[in-house]
Amino acid sequence: RKEVEQDPGPFNVPEGATVAFNCTYSNSASQSFFWYRQDCRKEPKLLMSVYSSGNEDGRFTAQLNRASQYISLLIRDSKLSDSATYLCVVRDGYSTLTFGKGTMLLVSP
Amino acid sequence: EPEVTQTPSHQVTQMGQEVILRCVPISNHLYFYWYRQILGQKVEFLVSFYNNEISEKSEIFDDQFSVERPDGSNFTLKIRSTKLEDSAMYFCASSEAVGKETQYFGPGTRLLVL
Repeated sequence: RKEVEQDPGPFNVPEGATVAFNCTYSNSASQSFFWYRQDCRKEPKLLMSVYSSGNEDGRFTAQLNRASQYISLLIRDSKLSDSATYLCVVRDGYSTLTFGKGTMLLVSP
Repeated sequence: EPEVTQTPSHQVTQMGQEVILRCVPISNHLYFYWYRQILGQKVEFLVSFYNNEISEKSEIFDDQFSVERPDGSNFTLKIRSTKLEDSAMYFCASSEAVGKETQYFGPGTRLLVL
């Protein structure tokens, strides 16, 4: 069974803090990796793809360790608007996305 | 910015009734998907669709489910005889291609089966 595991949180941080989320996946044949964010009762929205070499998009940095089957997301200088659930997502099959249950982030003033 | 749209936003139905959930994918996209999210649980893949046929489906997508692209714009999910456990948010998604291409999600239809 293909699984993606995440710490459900919530992570409570003050504005300006740096916060890191981790994720592990079970299928060593997984091909593509993503972080999505989901606001309460809304659809998942792509935050960033995750590449083997690591990649950065503004305040967000994603890392992938294929040997350990481990993905991370680092958010620097947290904003109130970053409050959401962060979903670790893995593409296993031809098109299938497997989602983690998500890690909730609450950023407070 | 182009987006995936879904109707209705909410649907309440009686157990045993048929429901059809509708989606309009992004216009130049060729691959279409349905996912569901039971309240408090993770998003789960149901089915992918390309070139008028199912590409992949999960074990959730049993005989009571079907998908169709009845015209050039709509993509539908039909649940033939709804059960209480079908209550969930159903998301449609589309992508330009398979592989590394991003899947863009619609706002979802919240289905409540009574």
